Amino acid sequence: DAGVTQSPTHLIKTRGQQVTLRCSPKSGHDTVSWYQQALGQGPQFIFQYYEEEERQRGNFPDRFSGHQFPNYSSELNVNALLLGDSALYLCASSTPQGGETQYFGPGTRLLVL
Amino acid sequence: AQSVTQLDSQVPVFEEAPVELRCNYSSSVSVYLFWYVQYPNQGLQLLLKYLSGSTLVKGINGFEAEFNKSQTSFHLRKPSVHISDTAEYFCACSGAGTASKLTFGTGTRLQVTL
Repeated sequence: DAGVTQSPTHLIKTRGQQVTLRCSPKSGHDTVSWYQQALGQGPQFIFQYYEEEERQRGNFPDRFSGHQFPNYSSELNVNALLLGDSALYLCASSTPQGGETQYFGPGTRLLVL
Repeated sequence: AQSVTQLDSQVPVFEEAPVELRCNYSSSVSVYLFWYVQYPNQGLQLLLKYLSGSTLVKGINGFEAEFNKSQTSFHLRKPSVHISDTAEYFCACSGAGTASKLTFGTGTRLQVTL
């Protein structure tokens, strides 16, 4: 049973560019949440997708957007990258039956130069 | 809104010694509580969770935690640590209910030495 997968594992971008990160949820899970973990910090909630719609959103600017596909996979898009966007981006999946428990992927490490 | 405080940023301990990692939370509603572990350059792995019922919960790798509502705490304990337990540990909470967002503490670095 495959767990949560994310791609790419690492990414280097320059300021002002745009980036797309991808996530495939654990088999049987239909809810995807995204978190940003800056160096030395705990993860911060960005947003959550369910049934292809954004259901909850954290305190992140509109430069952060997402999408969920019919197969429940998800993308995180960040426009106009800033140096401060450098972080580990974590995807987590869950299911309504066990919705209180989120399972995390290995993350995508983004470096903005 | 919820918040989580992990009082210790680093906890050094010798192998085979007991350890306690402290976590306090604040919330105006009922919460679920979690402990996750993060090994270097990896994602988060669930250690244990408290949803309801018994206040003492057991998790993987010999860890356990106790929910104390009056003290709003959820401290993580292990009676005897191993070198392999060296990692970053995160306490998190969510509002009780389906698929609520997780609010994390800033993490505690557990460093186990011989």
